[in-house]
Amino acid sequence: KNEVEQSPQNLTAQEGEFITINCSYSVGISALHWLQQHPGGGIVSLFMLSSGKKKHGRLIATINIQEKHSSLHITASHPRDSAVYICAGYVTRDDKIIFGKGTRLHILP
Amino acid sequence: GAVVSQHPSRVICKSGTSVKIECRSLDFQATTMFWYRQFPKQSLMLMATSNEGSKATYEQGVEKDKFLINHASLTLSTLTVTSAHPEDSSFYICSARGLTSGGTSSYEQYFGPGTRLTVT
Repeated sequence: KNEVEQSPQNLTAQEGEFITINCSYSVGISALHWLQQHPGGGIVSLFMLSSGKKKHGRLIATINIQEKHSSLHITASHPRDSAVYICAGYVTRDDKIIFGKGTRLHILP
Repeated sequence: GAVVSQHPSRVICKSGTSVKIECRSLDFQATTMFWYRQFPKQSLMLMATSNEGSKATYEQGVEKDKFLINHASLTLSTLTVTSAHPEDSSFYICSARGLTSGGTSSYEQYFGPGTRLTVT
């Protein structure tokens, strides 16, 4: 079992829909990253958070340390949001980042 | 947030040649840089960790003589793939972190956009 699990693995939605991607982890982390990877491969850091909630434009990330769970929300989704979204946790014990397998999001026009 | 750049973004090289990938922190001093590789439809996998001025620490199974890492300054680390083979074709990503105001390693890592290497 992967120490960082994402769900769903794949998600197709219509433009305008509210999107939620979930991330659960089983190890102690001190920070959690959400990354976006477009089909060309380029990685974009969306959020890094250790508690609470962060918002940037139409994107919102939340984390619940006690429940070891984080969510990434996209409001008013758009076809350009189509990408792979990766959750990654910084494991303090090992001084390493552990990555989820990613969620492939496809927004239909 | 802090910015990390990689150069080149894409490179094609012939089998047997060497190729160098640069990773730069643009607005902070990166005391530690990490190099990852990603195969199609797979997660990023850590290859090595480099601290400025020290030898890199390689993950198990990563050949240090094949993947040469240099972190000679606080803003630049390079990964050189030596004697490249088609199986080295992959997406290589670096990340960087600096120090907190208290002088300890920050947990905040910043990712570069990645470099796609194709070996023909």
